[in-house]
Formats: sequence, structure tokens, C-alpha cells
Amino acid sequence: NAGVMQNPRHLVRRRGQEARLRCSPMKGHSHVYWYRQLPEEGLKFMVYLQKENIIDESGMPKERFSAEFPKEGPSILRIQQVVRGDSAAYFCASSYGANTEAFFGQGTRLTVV
Amino acid sequence: QQQVKQSPQSLIVQKGGISIINCAYENTAFDYFPWYQQFPGKGPALLIAIRPDVSEKKEGRFTISFNKSAKQFSLHIMDSQPGDSATYFCAAPSGSARQLTFGSGTQLTVLP
Repeated sequence: NAGVMQNPRHLVRRRGQEARLRCSPMKGHSHVYWYRQLPEEGLKFMVYLQKENIIDESGMPKERFSAEFPKEGPSILRIQQVVRGDSAAYFCASSYGANTEAFFGQGTRLTVV
Repeated sequence: QQQVKQSPQSLIVQKGGISIINCAYENTAFDYFPWYQQFPGKGPALLIAIRPDVSEKKEGRFTISFNKSAKQFSLHIMDSQPGDSATYFCAAPSGSARQLTFGSGTQLTVLP
């Protein structure tokens, strides 16, 4: 049983470009969470999705950031017009249900140059 | 969003010693408290979790102690090994029970 799969592992974007981060949850998991980790800091919640629905996006910046979890395919975190401050590690986690253990992927390390 | 306060920020332990990391959380009615282990360049890995109907849970060398009345829980690593050197995060669910609030992390170094 494969774990949570994230790709790409590393992503370099120039300021103003778009970044697309993908996450495939563990088999049987229908709950997906995105977290951001800045260097030497903890993980900060961004958004929680179930299939085709955004349940909680209270941690998501109001502009430039969006997320989706379509009926088919991976969850996507999209960052438009990236800025240097977006450079961070972005982690996806999945769980079987709300309030059950969440398992993390290896992350996508975004560098904005 | 509730806060989770984790201490110490860094910890150095000799091989074979006991590592203790503490976390305190704010009011919550929800029912699991996980610890995650993260190695450099890797994602957090679920280490052990506890539900508040028990005061202690042990898995191998790792033990969680939970004090519901004090809203505190701690991770004990017995017989610490150099391979345990990593960053450890405690977490607690938010009021909606649909997201984790993480502590700031403890960087553990186990000296050989």
C-alpha cells in the first residue's frame, strides 16, 4: 500500500510564475490536508478537502492560492504569481476520516527565484 | 485556532538516555493527540498517538503520557539512540476536528 504521494519533490519557479503541487492520498483515504513549513519552523495548516469539496480553507492566503480535490485524480495546490515568500516545503496529508490519524507525504520543496 | 506549546526547542541526550518532550494545549473536546518525527528533507512520519481515555500509551521505546486535567501530554524516548536524532512535533486537533495544530518542534540530538 503506497503512502501519500506528492510530486514534484522539488520545484523551482521564477517570480510571477505559477506553481502546481500534486498530492495522491493513501488508498482508501478521502480526506486531504495541505500544510506549509517554512525553514526552521513548524507546520501550518492551509486547507482541508474531501472529494470535490473544500471543507476548511481558513489557513489559506486569500489571494493567489487555491486548492482542489477532484472526483478523479490527485489533489492540486495551485499558487499563482509566486513571490519569494512562497518558498517553503508544502506537505500533503491524508486520512481515512476526520479526527483519525493523518499520514504525510514527502513534501514538495518550492523555491522561488 | 488553538495553540499547542511545545518544549524544549532543542534537546541533546547521550546515547542510552531518556528524551522527554512536553506539549500543552488549549481547550479541546477531541480525541487524539499524535506525535510526528521528521528527518531533514523528509515528511513528518506518525510516530505514536494517544486518545484521552487513557493516561499512557507505549510502543517500543516510545511512550506518551497524557494528563487531561492539565491539558498536557509528553513524549518519552527510552534508551535514546543516535538514529532517533530528528525533529519531533506534537499536534492537537482544532475545534473543528478537521485539522491539526502543530507544536513548534523539538530538535533532538542523541550523541553516540
